[in-house]
Amino acid sequence: AQSVSQHNHHVILSEAASLELGCNYSYGGTVNLFWYVQYPGQHLQLLLKYFSGDPLVKGIKGFEAEFIKSKFSFNLRKPSVQWSDTAEYFCAVNAGYGGATNKLIFGTGTLLAVQP
Amino acid sequence: EAGVAQSPRYKIIEKRQSVAFWCNPISGHATLYWYQQILGQGPKLLIQFQNNGVVDDSQLPKDRFSAERLKGVDSTLKIQPAKLEDSAVYLCASSEDGTNNSPLHFGNGTRLTVT
Repeated sequence: AQSVSQHNHHVILSEAASLELGCNYSYGGTVNLFWYVQYPGQHLQLLLKYFSGDPLVKGIKGFEAEFIKSKFSFNLRKPSVQWSDTAEYFCAVNAGYGGATNKLIFGTGTLLAVQP
Repeated sequence: EAGVAQSPRYKIIEKRQSVAFWCNPISGHATLYWYQQILGQGPKLLIQFQNNGVVDDSQLPKDRFSAERLKGVDSTLKIQPAKLEDSAVYLCASSEDGTNNSPLHFGNGTRLTVT
């Protein structure tokens, strides 16, 4: 079965530090990959997505992610974080599992706290 | 555009009681999803509707959970009887259609505590 692993459960950074959150998935076929973000008290929202083409995708608020097929990875990066980036970040994969073409498998999430 | 609406925001019940959650998706969205998010875990899909038909309910514990979307718009998710392990946030999401290109829009969720 497909699965998604996020290795960092809790990350604490100072403002202006660089961020990289790891995400690995297990699935041998074609996948669509996503990063979702949940700010405190808000709903989950899409940060960026990869379907095909350029493996380096750019999302909102200066975030980017790189799809490395050989490593089954889709790590999220931001060169300089801000206090407002404090949130929980979820990696998700959509492999069209079980006939449900839009079934997302989520990782366990990474809680990012940015200190001013 | 108005987002996905869910109610109630919080619910506390005792085990063996029943509970129902309501979801109103974004207008025009054909696909509706219910996810369960247990503390410390990522959201897990319980059921997916396409209009008023079920596309996937393979992870729905059907002995106690039920969901319906009778008119292809609003949806309710019911648990009867509840168990302690049902304590979680129940998220509703909708998308324009069920394809990979259609992003999911999530509601704020209902936090259920079973005591």
